[in-house]
Amino acid sequence: EAQVTQNPRYLITVTGKKLTVTCSQNMNHEYMSWYRQDPGLGLRQIYYSMNVEVTDKGDVPEGYKVSRKEKRNFPLILESPSPNQTSLYFCASSFLGTGGDGYTFGSGTRLTVV
Amino acid sequence: ILNVEQSPQSLHVQEGDSTNFTCSFPSSNFYALHWYRWETAKSPEALFVMTLNGDEKKKGRISATLNTKEGYSYLYIKGSQPEDSATYLCAFLDFGNEKLTFGTGTRLTIIP
Repeated sequence: EAQVTQNPRYLITVTGKKLTVTCSQNMNHEYMSWYRQDPGLGLRQIYYSMNVEVTDKGDVPEGYKVSRKEKRNFPLILESPSPNQTSLYFCASSFLGTGGDGYTFGSGTRLTVV
Repeated sequence: ILNVEQSPQSLHVQEGDSTNFTCSFPSSNFYALHWYRWETAKSPEALFVMTLNGDEKKKGRISATLNTKEGYSYLYIKGSQPEDSATYLCAFLDFGNEKLTFGTGTRLTIIP
């Protein structure tokens, strides 16, 4: 089944403890992206990648890192999480940055930083 | 940051009635307009990707139109059913960019 797999689904952590949210897609998509969803705000892009070893900042990149060493994986790294990074995170992928037939989203990761 | 607005923010519709809502986006540098359906506790799913002015797309009881010159798109649902209850997101892509800018969504509730 074609899908984007995110892990974990839920995570509670403490301020300053490094964490990684994994994202993997099995559709051979070039484009992958991370978004965060906060109440009253639209999905906001954190980072995106047009292909392997190519990553760029989105609208809200502060406090996050990403890597794209393989086409299928695009992990999101929080080196020193803070409470303002408490949010719902989505990974998405598509054939093109332009969206092609639309983005395919992962199931989401609800992160709480205390 | 581009401004993508959706209205109304929320909507309650009686089962069987038809409804529509709006997405407004910048009319310059248009490349594509996406619509997504987002059910509670699930992830957004693509409904339509529209690229041409005057485009009209349809999927079952749901259809969408696009006016790039004036910067708006309408999503229509005919004969609403309880399973149509969801948040509907639109997202704008401008030419030369590689990221979608999302609106805040229209939350639709169908009353049985």
